[in-house]
Amino acid sequence: DARVTQTPRHKVTEMGQEVTMRCQPILGHNTVFWYRQTMMQGLELLAYFRNRAPLDDSGMPKDRFSAEMPDATLATLKIQPSEPRDSAVYFCASGYDSNQPQHFGDGTRLSIL
Amino acid sequence: AQKVTQAQTEISVVEKEDVTLDCVYETRDTTYYLFWYKQPPSGELVFLIRRNSFDEQNEISGRYSWNFQKSTSSFNFTITASQVVDSAVYFCALSEARETSGSRLTFGEGTQLTVNP
Repeated sequence: DARVTQTPRHKVTEMGQEVTMRCQPILGHNTVFWYRQTMMQGLELLAYFRNRAPLDDSGMPKDRFSAEMPDATLATLKIQPSEPRDSAVYFCASGYDSNQPQHFGDGTRLSIL
Repeated sequence: AQKVTQAQTEISVVEKEDVTLDCVYETRDTTYYLFWYKQPPSGELVFLIRRNSFDEQNEISGRYSWNFQKSTSSFNFTITASQVVDSAVYFCALSEARETSGSRLTFGEGTQLTVNP
């Protein structure tokens, strides 16, 4: 089965450090989404792309978060500088327009000390 | 604005009991999709079902069944003869069906289901 691949699976770093999370969507999917899961907020959308173009990143703190798709096989989510409140599980998902279910990666568990 | 409500935060049952997880949604769209995802203790999100707003037929897949009722804006999920392996957090989600927005999901808060032996 095709899968969404996220790296790293786990990341522990100190506050102030730059964090980069990567996602390889399923081949052929044209939408890519970044979600964040915390106990307090649940699952919330940070940003999404369609055909590599950013459609909405209103869920992201713009001053420190950035999301890009340099090519169709790679999406990145960066945090600079990181803060303890950024600790969460970050999920990437891909899909094909609105007719298909989103398939999720296994997530990156991020801990900012 | 879209909203999904899963009023049951936690449910605990004994193995072989039937259990229903409730999901109520709000949307102004006439075309939309509803989803259920399972998140086991290992943490990944597993797709279970997608239903579009024009298809109100109930669906059964093995021990799982879904009851979609537009009149009450509900999309409930029933597990028959529950098993310990069904223990997980279950999320209901809603997506728009707009050309310009892809299929962004709005999630409910999730229901933690614990099936005890």
